Formats: sequence, C-alpha cells, structure tokens
Amino acid sequence: NAGVMQNPRHLVRRRGQEARLRCSPMKGHSHVYWYRQLPEEGLKFMVYLQKENIIDESGMPKERFSAEFPKEGPSILRIQQVVRGDSAAYFCASSPPGQRNTIYFGEGSWLTVV
Amino acid sequence: AQRVTQPEKLLSVFKGAPVELKCNYSYSGSPELFWYVQYSRQRLQLLLRHISRESIKGFTADLNKGETSFHLKKPFAQEEDSAMYYCALSGNTPLVFGKGTRLSVIA
Repeated sequence: NAGVMQNPRHLVRRRGQEARLRCSPMKGHSHVYWYRQLPEEGLKFMVYLQKENIIDESGMPKERFSAEFPKEGPSILRIQQVVRGDSAAYFCASSPPGQRNTIYFGEGSWLTVV
Repeated sequence: AQRVTQPEKLLSVFKGAPVELKCNYSYSGSPELFWYVQYSRQRLQLLLRHISRESIKGFTADLNKGETSFHLKKPFAQEEDSAMYYCALSGNTPLVFGKGTRLSVIA
C-alpha cells in the first residue's frame, strides 16, 4: 500500500496565479481531508470529502479555495488568484469507510507564493 | 466547540530526562484524543490514541476527563524523539489539532 500520495511536493506560484494540489488516498479509503499548516501554526482543518461529495467545508476560506474528489482520480485542492498569505504546507489525509478517526496523512505539498 | 490547547511552543530537555508534553482540550461530549508526531518535513504519524491505551516508542498518555487533559509522557528522552508533537481531538467534526509543541532533546 503506497500510502497517501500528494503532488506536487513543492509548488511556487506568482501572486494571482492558480495552484492545484493533488491527493490520492490510500487504497480502499473513501474519505479525504485537507489541512493547512501555516508557519508557526498548527494544522487547521479545511475540508472533508467523500467521492463526489463535500461532507464538511467549514474550514475552507469563503473565496478562492475549492476542493473536489471526483469519482475517478485524485482529490484536488484548488486555490485561485493566490496571495502571499496562501504560502503554507497543505496536508491531505484519508480514512477507510466507517473509520473517520483512523486517518493517515500524506507528506504534504509546500506552496510558496512569490 | 472543539478546541485543543498545547501551551508550550517549544520544550527542550536533556537526553535521559523525563518528558511531559501538555495538552488540554475543550469539548462538551465524549472525545477521542490522539497524539501525532511529525519529524522534520515528513508526514504526520499517529503516535497513540487514548482508547488503545498502548505505549509507543516509550510514550504514554492518559486521558484525564476531570482536568480535560491528555498529556504525553516519556520517562527517558532520546535524541531521536526530537520532533513536532500534535495533540488532536475527534468529537463531532474531523480531527481538530493543537498548535503543536516542538520537542528538542539535547545530547
């Protein structure tokens, strides 16, 4: 089992560009979570998805951020018109069906906005 | 609301000394508590969860509902324990994390 795979590991974007971060959950896992880790801060929950369904997006900024987990393919966290404050590590995690508390993290994607 | 507080941003101890990383939580229901560890720029790994009551890498944590705490302890720190440690709570939402404590074990 390859574990939760995230790519790219590092991404540099200029202000105003779009950033797309991808996450492939562990095999057999149907739930995906995105967390953001700002410098010197802890992990902040952003969004919780199942296939083709957003379960909880209470941690997502209201503008510019969106997430999807299509029937086929990885989950994608999309940030439009990036600003310097979006620079952070974005961690994806997944859990198996019926085990919401058993989550496994990916290695993270580091976004730098210049 | 669910909240996790880790009061220490940084904790430095000498090798062989005891370690206690503090964690307090706020939740009106019956929570499930976890400790995660993150070595330098690596993924977060589950260290232990209160319901399993097991010891991993010599670390233990006891849930104290009266004090709403879940402190992480180890009797003798090792250099390889140097890492970021996050306390997390699961209630009626996905895991909520504290801000983390960086443990530095000095040789």
